[in-house]
Amino acid sequence: DAGVIQSPRHEVTEMGQEVTLRCKPISGHDYLFWYRQTMMRGLELLIYFNNNVPIDDSGMPEDRFSAKMPNASFSTLKIQPSEPRDSAVYFCASSSSMVPNQPQHFGDGTRLSIL
Amino acid sequence: AQSVAQPEDQVNVAEGNPLTVKCTYSVSGNPYLFWYVQYPNRGLQFLLKYITGDNLVKGSYGFEAEFNKSQTSFHLKKPSALVSDSALYFCAVRDRGSSASKIIFGSGTRLSIRP
Repeated sequence: DAGVIQSPRHEVTEMGQEVTLRCKPISGHDYLFWYRQTMMRGLELLIYFNNNVPIDDSGMPEDRFSAKMPNASFSTLKIQPSEPRDSAVYFCASSSSMVPNQPQHFGDGTRLSIL
Repeated sequence: AQSVAQPEDQVNVAEGNPLTVKCTYSVSGNPYLFWYVQYPNRGLQFLLKYITGDNLVKGSYGFEAEFNKSQTSFHLKKPSALVSDSALYFCAVRDRGSSASKIIFGSGTRLSIRP
């Protein structure tokens, strides 16, 4: 049973470049969440989707960040242009509303370094 | 508003001794409570949850947690610690009355088990 799959696992790029992070949720899950983890700020919820529709994007830090979910099996988080302070580990998680209070299932994250 | 507090950044325990990782919460209604564990370079993994019923919840890897409504706490416990339990632990809460599926995570507690 495949879990949440994120790619790439590591990304190193220069300031100003566009960065695209990818996520494939667990099949059948209708909720998808994007988080960012840093030492300073801990785990932050950036945005979440229900049935491919963004529900709450209040955690998205700036207009440089955008997220899409074109279908039930794929989501992207894009940063354009990237800045060194965007360096963090970005996690994707999914869950199902069909199972009451089912926990979120996390991918192994993308470690992003902006030079 | 929902919130979760993990008052200890780090907990150090000798192998074989009991361990406790503390968590207190604040919600406007009744809570759903969760514990997750994160190993290095991995995503968060679900350990256990409290929904209703028995205040003592048993989870994976021999962990358990006790829900205490009067103290608004949900401490994680294990009778005998293993070195392999060393990891970062997150408590999380969701307001039972909330229609949103997002949960609020605490800041995390690093558990270190010495041989």
